[in-house]
Amino acid sequence: GIQVEQSPPDLILQEGANSTLRCNFSDSVNNLQWFHQNPWGQLINLFYIPSGTKQNGRLSATTVATERYSLLYISSSQTTDSGVYFCAVERGETSGSRLTFGEGTQLTVNP
Amino acid sequence: EADIYQTPRYLVIGTGKKITLECSQTMGHDKMYWYQQDPGMELHLIHYSYGVNSTEKGDLSSESTVSRIRTEHFPLTLESARPSHTSQYLCASSGRGRYEQYFGPGTRLTVT
Repeated sequence: GIQVEQSPPDLILQEGANSTLRCNFSDSVNNLQWFHQNPWGQLINLFYIPSGTKQNGRLSATTVATERYSLLYISSSQTTDSGVYFCAVERGETSGSRLTFGEGTQLTVNP
Repeated sequence: EADIYQTPRYLVIGTGKKITLECSQTMGHDKMYWYQQDPGMELHLIHYSYGVNSTEKGDLSSESTVSRIRTEHFPLTLESARPSHTSQYLCASSGRGRYEQYFGPGTRLTVT
């Protein structure tokens, strides 16, 4: 199956700092999503971004499909950004939204 | 914002008991999913459904079973719970022609 690697595994920031999270994947994809899991376990869909760039407030994401990676940018981080960020992908020839998740990046933002 | 609900949120149960985890969504989504997540780990797909009367096993082998009799409802059943079933179970859904998945709050299951 497709392999998904996220880096760094852990990240500690001071409030106000910027960060970049990376997701590498081993095969072509037709579906890539970024999720945030808050400390209570709830997953929130941040972006659906199989290619290109999107922005939503302080968050933005870029996927370079030909080079098989995606980046999630967090600017001016806040304590509420803490949690685990997951990248999830689906291989190019399937169309059922069967996602394979990476192991996540644990982000801690200190006040 | 997605409207997808899971009950119970927390469940502690003894070995050998039969349990059903409930998942409902009010968005009319055709596709629904169950994931299993151990603490600090990634999510693994255990079951999915593309519509009523459609159910498939996911990438991670699971002793649980699912049913999809109504579009909005996708319950997961364990006939005989064991300590190895202790985990968080997350339900998700996505709409026709859409890829974005929306998750419920999860059920934290502990089998003693």
